[in-house]
Amino acid sequence: AQSVSQHNHHVILSEAASLELGCNYSYGGTVNLFWYVQYPGQHLQLLLKYFSGDPLVKGIKGFEAEFIKSKFSFNLRKPSVQWSDTAEYFCAVSISGTYKYIFGTGTRLKVLA
Amino acid sequence: DAGITQSPRHKVTETGTPVTLRCHQTENHRYMYWYRQDPGHGLRLIHYSYGVKDTDKGEVSDGYSVSRSKTEDFLLTLESATSSQTSVYFCATGPPQGSYEQYFGPGTRLTVT
Repeated sequence: AQSVSQHNHHVILSEAASLELGCNYSYGGTVNLFWYVQYPGQHLQLLLKYFSGDPLVKGIKGFEAEFIKSKFSFNLRKPSVQWSDTAEYFCAVSISGTYKYIFGTGTRLKVLA
Repeated sequence: DAGITQSPRHKVTETGTPVTLRCHQTENHRYMYWYRQDPGHGLRLIHYSYGVKDTDKGEVSDGYSVSRSKTEDFLLTLESATSSQTSVYFCATGPPQGSYEQYFGPGTRLTVT
C-alpha cells in the first residue's frame, strides 16, 4: 500500500532560522504532491503543489519544495522562518489519474520569537 | 478557498447514539471526502464520493456511512457513536478545473462521552 512518511514530528526553530521538512512517499509511478499547512485552530490550506515540470516549486509565504524522483522525496523549505509560521505541516500524495490522497502524519513547527 | 461549510462545528454526544455531520460546498466540485484527524495519525480518509450516489470506502470506514444525494452535500453518519470516534472531522472537495488539489472545510470537533 502507498504511504507517506514525515520523519520530523516536532520541530522548534528560532525566527530567521532555515527550515527543511522531510517527506517521502512509497509509490513507483507518477504522483501529484502537495504540502498543506494548518494554523492553530484552523483548517488545512494548500501551501504548494507539484504535478509536473520544474521539480522546484514555489508556494505561498516564501515556501518552496523540491521533488526528487529518485529519492521519492518532496521536502519543504523556507530560508527564514517567522513566528507566524508556527503551524502543523502535512505532506500529501495522490497517484496521478486518481483522486485519492494519502497524508503524512504531520510535522508540528514551533517558531520562537 | 472553496466555499465549504460543515455543520455542526462542535458536538458532544453519548456512546451509542447516531450522529450525522454535514458538508456543503458551493464550488460544484465532483469529489467530496471525509477525513478524521487524530494526534499522531495525521488525516485518515473515512469515505469519499466521486459523484451523486457514488461513494467508496477509505482506510478507516468501519462504523461510518455516507450519503450524497446532491452534488453540494455530503453527509457522514456515525451509526452508533463510540469513544474511539472522538475526533476532528474534516470535509474536503476537489479538484478545481484543470488541477488536482483538495480544499478543506473548517472541521467538526466531535466528542463522544
